[in-house]
Amino acid sequence: QQPVQSPQAVILREGEDAVINCSSSKALYSVHWYRQKHGEAPVFLMILLKGGEQKGHEKISASFNEKKQQSSLYLTASQLSYSGTYFCGTVDRGSTLGRLYFGRGTQLTVWP
Amino acid sequence: DGGITQSPKYLFRKEGQNVTLSCEQNLNHDAMYWYRQDPGQGLRLIYYSQIVNDFQKGDIAEGYSVSREKKESFPLTVTSAQKNPTAFYLCASRDSGTSGETQYFGPGTRLLVL
Repeated sequence: QQPVQSPQAVILREGEDAVINCSSSKALYSVHWYRQKHGEAPVFLMILLKGGEQKGHEKISASFNEKKQQSSLYLTASQLSYSGTYFCGTVDRGSTLGRLYFGRGTQLTVWP
Repeated sequence: DGGITQSPKYLFRKEGQNVTLSCEQNLNHDAMYWYRQDPGQGLRLIYYSQIVNDFQKGDIAEGYSVSREKKESFPLTVTSAQKNPTAFYLCASRDSGTSGETQYFGPGTRLLVL
């Protein structure tokens, strides 16, 4: 049930774009995205509930393709503050509500 | 200020010793969770509780124990049976009021073995 994230790591220059993918072998109820800075707790970014749903906040957005059982996180015009490890968490359709399975994370490094 | 607190920030355990990690929330959330994070790994679920006086094992419960006597508190005990306890431990609680059941994390406790 653990989703698979790709790539494992991304290195960017400020202003460049990145895409992080999250895919599951199970039908999904929801996808949650978090960002974790080194030594800190994960911080919630957004949740996607419906197939085809897209959400965004400033220059970070995400989509959810229910049919393909996958989600993508888009970071545009990246800033230094975007550096960190991004995790997706998935809730399987039909499983205990709230039981999140986390991917292994994607480490994003933004250089000036 | 509403939030989740964990203490201590760092904890040292001697071999054969049981240690307890504290997790408190004042968000009025029903569900609470304990995760373990190792370098390069995702978050693995140890125990979770959906309501007071009830809890379930997660994927890696061996060597750990929990209690849920109060809605606000969900302490985790790392017992001597846990042979490799060095990790970053994260407590979370779930907001059932919003759609999607979002989980929010406390600041974490880093456990080290002496």
